[in-house]
Amino acid sequence: EAQVTQNPRYLITVTGKKLTVTCSQNMNHEYMSWYRQDPGLGLRQIYYSMNVEVTDKGDVPEGYKVSRKEKRNFPLILESPSPNQTSLYFCASGRQGTSAQYFGPGTRLLVL
Amino acid sequence: GNSVTQMEGPVTLSEEAFLTINCTYTATGYPSLFWYVQYPGEGLQLLLKATKADDKGSNKGFEATYRKETTSFHLEKGSVQVSDSAVYFCALSGDAGGTSYGKLTFGQGTILTVHP
Repeated sequence: EAQVTQNPRYLITVTGKKLTVTCSQNMNHEYMSWYRQDPGLGLRQIYYSMNVEVTDKGDVPEGYKVSRKEKRNFPLILESPSPNQTSLYFCASGRQGTSAQYFGPGTRLLVL
Repeated sequence: GNSVTQMEGPVTLSEEAFLTINCTYTATGYPSLFWYVQYPGEGLQLLLKATKADDKGSNKGFEATYRKETTSFHLEKGSVQVSDSAVYFCALSGDAGGTSYGKLTFGQGTILTVHP
């Protein structure tokens, strides 16, 4: 089954404790991206990757890091989480040359 | 930069009513336009898309027409069902060759509740 998977689905952590949210897709998509969803703000792009080893900032990259060492994986790293990073996070992927994207199920993060 | 403005909700309808959710956009060039749906507790699913002016996207009884002259992409359904209750997002992606190609810019989302 073609899908985007994220882990964990739910995470409660404390300020300053480094964490990684994994994202994996099995559709051989070149493009991958991370979004955060906050009430009243819709979805905003954090980082994106056009292909392996090619990443760039989205609209709200502060406090986040990403890497793209393999085509299928695109982890989101919070080196020192803060309460304002409490949010619902979505990973998405898409084929190069098209603009439709497929989303993972989301990761709900609470930073205390 | 690109932006999407969606009709504010929530929208509450009775089953079999007609649905319209308005969406207008600001973008340079020829963006692609999308409607995504998010059911409770789930991720976003692509509902329909249109990639050029006057294209009509359709899926599951929903339709939207890409109107470049009015920069709009309104979502419509002739007869809604309880199972259509969800959050609907309008989005655009910049045109190929542009710096925003591939990036989705979303509206704020419209909550739709359909009662039996």
